[in-house]
Amino acid sequence: TQLLEQSPQFLSIQEGENLTVYCNSSSVFSSLQWYRQEPGEGPVLLVTVVTGGEVKKLKRLTFQFGDARKDSSLHITAAQPGDTGLYLCAACIMNRDDKIIFGKGTRLHILP
Amino acid sequence: GAGVSQTPSNKVTEKGKYVELRCDPISGHTALYWYRQSLGQGPEFLIYFQGTGAADDSGLPNDRFFAVRPEGSVSTLKIQRTERGDSAVYLCASSLGGGTPGELFFGEGSRLTVL
Repeated sequence: TQLLEQSPQFLSIQEGENLTVYCNSSSVFSSLQWYRQEPGEGPVLLVTVVTGGEVKKLKRLTFQFGDARKDSSLHITAAQPGDTGLYLCAACIMNRDDKIIFGKGTRLHILP
Repeated sequence: GAGVSQTPSNKVTEKGKYVELRCDPISGHTALYWYRQSLGQGPEFLIYFQGTGAADDSGLPNDRFFAVRPEGSVSTLKIQRTERGDSAVYLCASSLGGGTPGELFFGEGSRLTVL
């Protein structure tokens, strides 16, 4: 059973378009993180959200944590080829200390 | 270097052999994680350490897998009687630890191929 469901699995769009990817679960999380991974490298943290309903912005990226802390979204405005990569959500289960689990990821490809 | 270091970067072995993968975390990070990543998939949790002790080893697939962190710094993931299905990239990450999850800093991984 996959605790964190990410959708879509793959997304290929033209440069300049907007997109949203999702991370969903039936479990409540104490916090949720988004990472980006490029081939041959480990994931790199983009953001951590902790409070239900929280919205964080990182340049053209907007992250939202659901009110019930069960889901999150990542919205990219005016996508650029440099945004290409594997986007992973990761979460710490309530009352499970620092155990962090990952979703399967959304593989994003931005066409120039 | 200041980052997480993993060795070897690549390991090719034969079915049935024993393998050790090493992780050298960022100095001062008390939490250390091992994940396994197959092609096109997200990292699959294996085990994490808080200091010297394994705080959660529920992700280890079976008793052929074992990990240690004897002095609370370097960790070794040990795989006995390797099988072809063990082929994957094994990622190590460290963080400051101590309660609220902070940023995980990953190494570049050890790619294991079992022939």
